[in-house]
Amino acid sequence: AQKITQTQPGMFVQEKEAVTLDCTYDTSDQSYGLFWYKQPSSGEMIFLIYQGSYDEQNATEGRYSLNFQKARKSANLVISASQLGDSAMYFCAMRGGGTSYGKLTFGQGTILTVHP
Amino acid sequence: GAGVSQSPSNKVTEKGKDVELRCDPISGHTALYWYRQSLGQGLEFLIYFQGNSAPDKSGLPSDRFSAERTGGSVSTLTIQRTQQEDSAVYLCASSLTSGRHNEQFFGPGTRLTVL
Repeated sequence: AQKITQTQPGMFVQEKEAVTLDCTYDTSDQSYGLFWYKQPSSGEMIFLIYQGSYDEQNATEGRYSLNFQKARKSANLVISASQLGDSAMYFCAMRGGGTSYGKLTFGQGTILTVHP
Repeated sequence: GAGVSQSPSNKVTEKGKDVELRCDPISGHTALYWYRQSLGQGLEFLIYFQGNSAPDKSGLPSDRFSAERTGGSVSTLTIQRTQQEDSAVYLCASSLTSGRHNEQFFGPGTRLTVL
């Protein structure tokens, strides 16, 4: 079975500063994918970034980067230069193999609030 | 063209009634997924389709829930004899294929309220 843990129910950051949202995972699969999604108050789920388990480089997408530490089974999201529009719920998710193939398993989410 | 669309956006129903929720995936996406988001349970997987077949239905909570997909496109999630615990936002997503690296694009969701 797969499990995603996000231990920070809420995080606060000052505008223009960087923030790290934590995510740890548990799986017995050798091949898997890790995703981060953003959910603003409007409710839509917005894909941010993807990391494959065999990728040697950490993924980056604009101001988003994923700090992937495979041995520690962590996949933290780093948002640089926070903006007010970054205030939202953030979900870490995993897609594995075997019986978990196809579906995403989500963490509980972290609410990020960006202060001006 | 457009993203994933879902209808209705809101549905209020009485306990015991049946409801149908519709999802239109992104054109050309072969994989389609249904999830449920509620306060107590977070985001839960319900079922996924590859083409018209459903390789994984493991997340459907009970036999009151069923889903189908026709023509490799539109999908309908049906909840029979709704209960108050079925109240949640039902999210549909699609991806190009069901491969691990393919991101899933989500629709706006259907908010279901069972009175």
